[in-house]
Amino acid sequence: DAKTTQPTSMDCAEGRAANLPCNHSTISGNEYVYWYRQIHSQGPQYIIHGLKNNETNEMASLIITEDRKSSTLILPHATLRDTAVYYCIVRPSWGNKLVFGAGTILRVKS
Amino acid sequence: GAGVSQSPSNKVTEKGKDVELRCDPISGHTALYWYRQSLGQGLEFLIYFQGNSAPDKSGLPSDRFSAERTGGSVSTLTIQRTQQEDSAVYLCASSLTSGGAIEQFFGPGTRLTVL
Repeated sequence: DAKTTQPTSMDCAEGRAANLPCNHSTISGNEYVYWYRQIHSQGPQYIIHGLKNNETNEMASLIITEDRKSSTLILPHATLRDTAVYYCIVRPSWGNKLVFGAGTILRVKS
Repeated sequence: GAGVSQSPSNKVTEKGKDVELRCDPISGHTALYWYRQSLGQGLEFLIYFQGNSAPDKSGLPSDRFSAERTGGSVSTLTIQRTQQEDSAVYLCASSLTSGGAIEQFFGPGTRLTVL
């Protein structure tokens, strides 16, 4: 599985956009980029995924660079409840397991 | 609808005892996964079931760990002769199928403490 690199931690002001970067320079053409988050004492929660195009859902937007070597998860209006560990994962289309790295600790502050 | 449920939520056991952890996946999900999360190792894959296919056991750390999935639904993770290093949160996830762009839904986990 391709490896990802994320900053250890980030702070964001409540109500502002949170932009979480992820590097995946060794990603293959058939590998998806997934984002999950884990709020304290809960199981991981799926946020969004993409292959080549930018994606948006009710939770977030995913911006993938043209060369696919990096991506950014955007939470448009962060709230205190968005404080969590955010994991960027790459996984082949035929893959099953998720390989989690250390993730980014996002702290949303009032 | 109901999500993935796990029981017990907490389990404290003595070193050397056997434990069984249960996972009820979302109804209709054919794929089921076990992960564990410990302080020193982060979140790691243990085992994966897909339908009637042979499970992928590549993540099991030793032969003290085993899992079964009965009737394609409920799964039980068994740890024999528990050791202190087995202390962790054991997470179960399920998905509609495997492969492709399929999201996995996680349960709340079972916190295992081995004294």
